[in-house]
Amino acid sequence: EAQVTQNPRYLITVTGKKLTVTCSQNMNHEYMSWYRQDPGLGLRQIYYSMNVEVTDKGDVPEGYKVSRKEKRNFPLILESPSPNQTSLYFCASSLDREGQFFGPGTRLTVL
Amino acid sequence: AQKVTQAQTEISVVEKEDVTLDCVYETRDTTYYLFWYKQPPSGELVFLIRRNSFDEQNEISGRYSWNFQKSTSSFNFTITASQVVDSAVYFCALSKAAGNKLTFGGGTRVLVKP
Repeated sequence: EAQVTQNPRYLITVTGKKLTVTCSQNMNHEYMSWYRQDPGLGLRQIYYSMNVEVTDKGDVPEGYKVSRKEKRNFPLILESPSPNQTSLYFCASSLDREGQFFGPGTRLTVL
Repeated sequence: AQKVTQAQTEISVVEKEDVTLDCVYETRDTTYYLFWYKQPPSGELVFLIRRNSFDEQNEISGRYSWNFQKSTSSFNFTITASQVVDSAVYFCALSKAAGNKLTFGGGTRVLVKP
């Protein structure tokens, strides 16, 4: 089954404790992105990647890192999480000629 | 800069009524892509449709239809004979290229009452 998977789905952590949210797609898509969704602010792109080892900042990259060592994986790293990074995070992937397909979301709470 | 406006924040209808969601966009690009996504109460984002700027043909998929009018920079979405399962937040989005940044509208919450 074609899908984008994210782990964990839910995470409660404390300020400053490094964490990684994994994202994997099995569709051989070139493009992958991370978004965060916040009430009143909608969905905003954090980072995106056009292919292996090619990444670029989106609208709200501060406090986040990404890497794209393999085509299927695009982890989101929070080196020192803060409460303002509490949000619902979505990973997405796409081929050039298709819509972006989103993962199920990761609900992160930073205390 | 790109911008997507969904003026309706919430629409409430009774089952079997038709409902139209408005989407107005702004972009300086001549090539761009428009999307609609559905976010049901469970939270996932479901891709519904993608349209490129050169294809103004309207599209129908079952009870869903989309009206793209470049002259008014609008990409409206109609649900015909709504059902309770259509209750969700619907997002319109715009991108410069299919894999690049999606700029989302604020979303329209649709509540279909039985």
